Amino acid sequence: DSGVTQTPKHLITATGQRVTLRCSPRSGDLSVYWYQQSLDQGLQFLIQYYNGEERAKGNILERFSAQQFPDLHSELNLSSLELGDSALYFCASSEAGRNQPQHFGDGTRLSIL
Amino acid sequence: KNEVEQSPQNLTAQEGEFITINCSYSVGISALHWLQQHPGGGIVSLFMLSSGKKKHGRLIATINIQEKHSSLHITASHPRDSAVYICAVRWDNYGQNFVFGPGTRLSVLP
Repeated sequence: DSGVTQTPKHLITATGQRVTLRCSPRSGDLSVYWYQQSLDQGLQFLIQYYNGEERAKGNILERFSAQQFPDLHSELNLSSLELGDSALYFCASSEAGRNQPQHFGDGTRLSIL
Repeated sequence: KNEVEQSPQNLTAQEGEFITINCSYSVGISALHWLQQHPGGGIVSLFMLSSGKKKHGRLIATINIQEKHSSLHITASHPRDSAVYICAVRWDNYGQNFVFGPGTRLSVLP
């Protein structure tokens, strides 16, 4: 058990819809990262938050947004969903400081019909 | 172009064999992370390296900064080691974020 909790585990929705994925980091971890893993692209970094503020952005689409709340949980919002957004979405958290290992949640499997 | 490569892509071994998975990258890094992804999808952090060698149980990870190469070794492999092993690097100029290799799919047969 990594200590990182992601909900829901599975999500099935239709094109054009909007969903919210939730992540609770390990106790004490200030950094939260979001990743997308699709069959053809592998793991890709989307966005990082540190103590409530956006720290870095990766390959995140404009239709996607995220935030980290004062209690350090984070949400990833995906809107105007397309078939190609079907993927596993992972959240990871780490302690403050460089080169800290990241601890991954079990992921949310998003299926767009 | 910043790239992360892994070899082999797929590996089948008999239980008890010594296994080596390789990761190479193109430019200087600040850290390298080895991850294990189980068939169900869950990802486990194995090692974070910036130099030298680390050992945990039957797993050993090494990194050679000059050669831009890291290896993950599994001694006395077991069927429960069957998983995808992913190397991720943090480039010096890419902040706190990782770029992932394509993964090595390992199957250990009883």
